[in-house]
Amino acid sequence: AQSVAQPEDQVNVAEGNPLTVKCTYSVSGNPYLFWYVQYPNRGLQFLLKYITGDNLVKGSYGFEAEFNKSQTSFHLKKPSALVSDSALYFCAVRPQGYSSASKIIFGSGTRLSIRP
Amino acid sequence: NAGVTQTPKFQVLKTGQSMTLQCAQDMNHEYMSWYRQDPGMGLRLIHYSVGAGITDQGEVPNGYNVSRSTTEDFPLRLLSAAPSQTSVYFCASSSRTENSPLHFGNGTRLTVT
Repeated sequence: AQSVAQPEDQVNVAEGNPLTVKCTYSVSGNPYLFWYVQYPNRGLQFLLKYITGDNLVKGSYGFEAEFNKSQTSFHLKKPSALVSDSALYFCAVRPQGYSSASKIIFGSGTRLSIRP
Repeated sequence: NAGVTQTPKFQVLKTGQSMTLQCAQDMNHEYMSWYRQDPGMGLRLIHYSVGAGITDQGEVPNGYNVSRSTTEDFPLRLLSAAPSQTSVYFCASSSRTENSPLHFGNGTRLTVT
């Protein structure tokens, strides 16, 4: 079965330190990969996506993500965390070949907490 | 640019009552969908639509109906509310392009007593 795993329910980082939120997937072919962020009482917001090309993708708010095909991973990173980055982060994978976004698979989410 | 608009923001229902959650988007997106978000369960797809007049079931469709009479609107109907439908509901839309991201509304928090 196709799946997306976010192995950490919570990640705690001190402000100014680098952060990594992990995502691995088990999907056939070459899927499209996404990261979304959810702030309290809000819907998910798109951060960045990987389609093809460079393995390091840059997105909103200084976030970037590193794609590793051999490890089927798409980890979210930021060089220097801000308290305002505290939120819930979702990895999502969409298999290629489907025009309907109903095939999108979401991870279970990782709560990122940045302490001052 | 409003994006995806959901109403109401909050709703309390008694078991057995019915209601409609509204969703509208102004981006001319073909695809629209409804998710529910429950603690520890992530996002689960309820129903989706690939265009006006076309709807289909997602992962957890029981107890919900949808219709898509226009490109802009995709209401979700709870036929007879049950406590198990207590959740936060999100509407999302995207263009037909495969690598397009989803655009989400800010959700409706529903409590069924």
